[in-house]
Amino acid sequence: DAGVIQSPRHEVTEMGQEVTLRCKPISGHDYLFWYRQTMMRGLELLIYFNNNVPIDDSGMPEDRFSAKMPNASFSTLKIQPSEPRDSAVYFCASSFTGVDSPLHFGNGTRLTVT
Amino acid sequence: GESVGLHLPTLSVQEGDNSIINCAYSNSASDYFIWYKQESGKGPQFIIDIRSNMDKRQGQRVTVLLNKTVKHLSLQIAATQPGDSAVYFCAEGDYKLSFGAGTTVTVRA
Repeated sequence: DAGVIQSPRHEVTEMGQEVTLRCKPISGHDYLFWYRQTMMRGLELLIYFNNNVPIDDSGMPEDRFSAKMPNASFSTLKIQPSEPRDSAVYFCASSFTGVDSPLHFGNGTRLTVT
Repeated sequence: GESVGLHLPTLSVQEGDNSIINCAYSNSASDYFIWYKQESGKGPQFIIDIRSNMDKRQGQRVTVLLNKTVKHLSLQIAATQPGDSAVYFCAEGDYKLSFGAGTTVTVRA
């Protein structure tokens, strides 16, 4: 079991540039989550999908953020244009049933926007 | 509003001793609770979970206690080892887990 795989591990970009973060969930998991972690705000849920369909995106900060899940084995989180305040660690997680089921997290993408 | 919080931000434990990490939650309707461990540079790792119809659950060297009356959750680690040094998060919810701020556990040799 390879676990949840995220890429890249680190991303450094300049303000205004587009950033795309990638995630491969655990095979067979029907739910996929994107979280953001900062020292100030801790772990925040941005969006989650069930069977590739976005269910709740109320945590997405603003229109600059978008997420897609074109198939069961791949999801992207895009920030366009990026801003320094977007600097954080972004985690992808997946779970089997969503309800009463532990989330399995990837090792995250550390994003730095200068 | 809903919130999940921890009583102490840091905990220093002597190797071999037992550790207790506490967590308070405010949503009395919460049905599912979970503990995660996060090591530096890694994502949160599942430790143990418990549903609201239980008050205790045991795993390997870990025990989670749930007191719904006072809305309190705790994680007990038996015979703490250096590898247990990490940040520990409690979380509650169903589809949308709400995470606490985390307790940093440091194990002294």
